[in-house]
Amino acid sequence: AQSVTQLGSHVSVSEGALVLLRCNYSSSVPPYLFWYVQYPNQGLQLLLKYTSAATLVKGINGFEAEFKKSETSFHLTKPSAHMSDAAEYFCAVKRGTGKLIFGQGTTLQVKP
Amino acid sequence: DGGITQSPKYLFRKEGQNVTLSCEQNLNHDAMYWYRQDPGQGLRLIYYSQIVNDFQKGDIAEGYSVSREKKESFPLTVTSAQKNPTAFYLCASSIPGTTYNEQFFGPGTRLTVL
Repeated sequence: AQSVTQLGSHVSVSEGALVLLRCNYSSSVPPYLFWYVQYPNQGLQLLLKYTSAATLVKGINGFEAEFKKSETSFHLTKPSAHMSDAAEYFCAVKRGTGKLIFGQGTTLQVKP
Repeated sequence: DGGITQSPKYLFRKEGQNVTLSCEQNLNHDAMYWYRQDPGQGLRLIYYSQIVNDFQKGDIAEGYSVSREKKESFPLTVTSAQKNPTAFYLCASSIPGTTYNEQFFGPGTRLTVL
């Protein structure tokens, strides 16, 4: 059975600092993995997705994630945080036919 | 512009009342989903439909009902049997049959029970 764990419900960084949001997955089959972002009182927007084409995936807004099978991880990074990056971030893994399992979410705070 | 619309954005309900949340998409997607979001719990799947006139229960379907009479529409009814309905509800759609199943989300409806 597939599952997703996001380590750290809250992450705080200074503007310009590295952003690292952690996601570990469990899957009995090759996983399809996603990162979504949610701004307050809005829906989710896809940041990037891993579909086995490349282990380093680049997404929107300068974010990227690296798939590491040996560590069962898909951590999200951005070299330099902007104030506009403050939001909640969700990691998700595809399960079964057409369904996703979401992690608990990580709230990113960016301090000036 | 193609997308998913949800209405209303905010909804207030008295205890014992049924309410229906609207979800419409013009992306020509076959599959649609309803999720419930509570603080610190991520998104949990309520119901999903992969084709018109067919739908399946998700992980937390008790107290909810849906219909799928048109490809574009997937309304969710929160019944009085749902003991704790106050939450943020998100509708999504995707193209079934794709290997990775990317889902597109609407803006959400915040339901508050008074």
